[in-house]
Amino acid sequence: GEDVEQSLFLSVREGDSSVINCTYTDSSSTYLYWYKQEPGAGLQLLTYIFSNMDMKQDQRLTVLLNKKDKHLSLRIADTQTGDSAIYFCAESPPGGGYNKLIFGAGTRLAVHP
Amino acid sequence: DAMVIQNPRYQVTQFGKPVTLSCSQTLNHNVMYWYQQKSSQAPKLLFHYYDKDFNNEADTPDNFQSRRPNTSFCFLDIRSPGLGDAAMYLCATSRGYNEQFFGPGTRLTVL
Repeated sequence: GEDVEQSLFLSVREGDSSVINCTYTDSSSTYLYWYKQEPGAGLQLLTYIFSNMDMKQDQRLTVLLNKKDKHLSLRIADTQTGDSAIYFCAESPPGGGYNKLIFGAGTRLAVHP
Repeated sequence: DAMVIQNPRYQVTQFGKPVTLSCSQTLNHNVMYWYQQKSSQAPKLLFHYYDKDFNNEADTPDNFQSRRPNTSFCFLDIRSPGLGDAAMYLCATSRGYNEQFFGPGTRLTVL
C-alpha cells in the first residue's frame, strides 16, 4: 500500500529539541521530503533528502534517513514557538513519469513555554 | 512576490450544487496540481496538468474535473458535491517535475 505513517501529535518545551518520525513504504523512493503547514497557510517545503544520503543538516534542521527500516526523521534544534505547525513527511516513488508526492497525515507540533 | 493564489479561501456550497475552485500562479510554472486534504488526513493528489496535458489519478472520482485555460490559471470543478467532498483543496505548481509550491488552500463546506 501507499501509506506514509507519522505520529499525530508532539508537544515540546521551548528551547528543547523536537524529533518528528516517519515511516514510508517505497524503498525505491528517490527523494523524501518534509513540509510545514502553518494555520491557514499552504504547505511549505522545509527540506528534502536524496535516498543515497543518511543525513542532511540545514541550520536548526537535521534529517536522518534509515533506508533499511524505511524510517525518516526531522530534528528541530532549539524549538521556538514559531515552529508550532503541522509537519508532513512525503515520499516520491519512481515511475509514472511524474513527481507524485505521497504524504503522511502530518504531525502537529505544539511548542509551550 | 511570485506566488500561488487560491480563491476563494472558504467556499460553502449545497449538496449537489456545482462548485468551481480557482488557482492562479505568477511563477510561470508549467505544471499545476490539485490535492484534496480531508481533516487530519494526508493531502491526496487528484490530478495535474503538465503544460496542457491533463493527468488524472486512477482513483479520482468522475465528479471532479479540471480546466487549465492558460499557463497561469487552473480550475477545479466539482459537478455534484457530496458531504464526503468537504475538505481543504490545495493547488500546487512546479517547474517541470521539481519542487512543488503550494497555495494556501480553499476550505470547502458542503451543506
